Amino acid sequence: QSVLTQPPSASGTPGQRVTISCSGSTSNIERNTVNWYRQLPGTAPKLLISTTDRRPSGVPDRFSGSKSGMSASLAISGLQSEDEALYYCAAWDDSLNGWVFGGGTKLTVL
Amino acid sequence: EVQVVQSGAEVKKPGAPLKISCKVFGLGVTDYYIHWIQQAPGKGLEWMGFVDPEDGESVYAETFHGRVTISADTDIAFMEFRSLRADDTAIYYCTTAPGGVGPVNWFDSWGQGTLVTVSS
Repeated sequence: QSVLTQPPSASGTPGQRVTISCSGSTSNIERNTVNWYRQLPGTAPKLLISTTDRRPSGVPDRFSGSKSGMSASLAISGLQSEDEALYYCAAWDDSLNGWVFGGGTKLTVL
Repeated sequence: EVQVVQSGAEVKKPGAPLKISCKVFGLGVTDYYIHWIQQAPGKGLEWMGFVDPEDGESVYAETFHGRVTISADTDIAFMEFRSLRADDTAIYYCTTAPGGVGPVNWFDSWGQGTLVTVSS
């Protein structure tokens, strides 16, 4: 059971906008920033969004992050077939004194 | 460009020790911390702990405290299990981060992962 809660799956058609949610608590998402990672099959995760809404160099502006209260969201606009992947949210947890992850959301492009 | 290269796959018996490594290219040892992440088969990501390569200080997640040792020797980091269990079967990733503890931090460069299989 992951500390952060994500829907196990999400889907969309090419060109659509999809949103993936990440729900936590006061000790993690509400107090701290959120990072998002993308994992393609058989590869290591890759940083997609840092500190809730910052895109590292090379990440297209189709990807955006936001947070409100104890929940965070990753939005992907102009969905492309290569966006099919697992997406994980992560945050520092003040109570556990460590990093916690969501269980991951598998995004399917129909 | 930063590169993180991990040691190869391992097959071990329950109770055996294990030590895997991770070498960072392209960063000075004062510029990053090394974190280790576990991914069990078909499961999500779990943070194990980190080491500061500059002074060797390490911090562990509660789940792994006492079972795992994370260390570093300049630009090479190590993650060591004293006695493996079957449920330690997983891919282990090392990743660099600008910090250790604390929220303003992220895992930016990742190794390719080391598959560890524990089976009798």
